[in-house]
Amino acid sequence: GQQLNQSPQSMFIQEGEDVSMNCTSSSIFNTWLWYKQDPGEGPVLLIALYKAGELTSNGRLTAQFGITRKDSFLNISASIPIDVGIYFCAGLLYYGGSQGNLIFGKGTKLSVKP
Amino acid sequence: GAGVSQSPSNKVTEKGKDVELRCDPISGHTALYWYRQSLGQGLEFLIYFQGNSAPDKSGLPSDRFSAERTGGSVSTLTIQRTQQEDSAVYLCASSLFAAGAVNEQFFGPGTRLTVL
Repeated sequence: GQQLNQSPQSMFIQEGEDVSMNCTSSSIFNTWLWYKQDPGEGPVLLIALYKAGELTSNGRLTAQFGITRKDSFLNISASIPIDVGIYFCAGLLYYGGSQGNLIFGKGTKLSVKP
Repeated sequence: GAGVSQSPSNKVTEKGKDVELRCDPISGHTALYWYRQSLGQGLEFLIYFQGNSAPDKSGLPSDRFSAERTGGSVSTLTIQRTQQEDSAVYLCASSLFAAGAVNEQFFGPGTRLTVL
């Protein structure tokens, strides 16, 4: 089946650092979404991208939909402790017609540097 | 407004027993999705509903898993004869539509299932 490769799997952040993570796929997606999941909670949508090349910001978060439609990245600027959590990318895969479903990456776990 | 709710939040059961997990989507959302998340893993798609019908059941791991949705609203995921490998967090999500360019799924908090 379709798979997304998300990297890095985990990273440690120090307050004030910028963070970057990305997802790649061998398949073309029509939409990319980025979610964040806190412990004991469901994922929460951060940013949605609908067009190839699109660059979208949400506060300190910036995400881009790759030109090839096979990749996306998420940047977090000036990280703070509440950024800790697991970040998932998801690509929307169309079945045909206009129905589709999301394929998720395995997540990037952000932790505070000890 | 109310988000997606799931019940129970935690379920501990014995191997071989049946369990039912419930999802209440956001009011007015026509599409509903079930995912499974094992410890430290990403989200594994199980099944999706458009209204009361399930166009895609391809993610259900075995015939012990089934789901239904009634009245275009509440959905129940049933796992029969549970096995230890079924232990995971089961997440439900809903979206306004499944069709079209927009498929922003909103997730519930999940049900943590532990099979002893």
